[in-house]
Amino acid sequence: SQQGEEDPQALSIQEGENATMNCSYKTSINNLQWYRQNSGRGLVHLILIRSNEREKHSGRLRVTLDTSKKSSSLLITASRAADTASYFCATVSRGGSSNTGKLIFGQGTTLQVKP
Amino acid sequence: GAVVSQHPSWVICKSGTSVKIECRSLDFQATTMFWYRQFPKQSLMLMATSNEGSKATYEQGVEKDKFLINHASLTLSTLTVTSAHPEDSSFYICSARNRGPLVATNEKLFFGSGTQLSVL
Repeated sequence: SQQGEEDPQALSIQEGENATMNCSYKTSINNLQWYRQNSGRGLVHLILIRSNEREKHSGRLRVTLDTSKKSSSLLITASRAADTASYFCATVSRGGSSNTGKLIFGQGTTLQVKP
Repeated sequence: GAVVSQHPSWVICKSGTSVKIECRSLDFQATTMFWYRQFPKQSLMLMATSNEGSKATYEQGVEKDKFLINHASLTLSTLTVTSAHPEDSSFYICSARNRGPLVATNEKLFFGSGTQLSVL
């Protein structure tokens, strides 16, 4: 079963604006990951944040994690038309081996960046 | 970065036939591969975990006799949709985890480009 809930489900912004997507989960986790999917394609790993981390940056991406609220956010700054895609959070439950543990995906946020 | 190749990209078949989808890790060894199914505008649903040299582990509600998984080598896993029916039409995506020594590398998944299956 999918344990991640993301909001918003869809987001439309203008190029140059920031985009924020949120993800909530239900169980204890080892880490939380964000992936991007272009329409009809596979997923690309964006960033991983461990359960003992609160914030992480990678280029124009900023991820936060609040384990007390079981939530994470992905911020894309200075968005570009090429950022148009679906974004998914995914978690590996604590207790399983991270090397073989199942990755369970959230429902995703569809982002449209208008040029 | 690690590359996962998935073939075919799309397939159209008649109801009752079987379809095989291949997932290969091209430049790394993958002891574990995962098969997901995705309906339009929905999230990925994990179908099964494919372990090299052993039986696959299926998620609840996924028919193992319907979706046959074989992971005979460290670089290849196959998913066979047997006696396909229109309700099996979906986007199927495989992913693999690099078994390399770096913890960070081990934790993230590398995805194939997906297979769009249409059963007539």
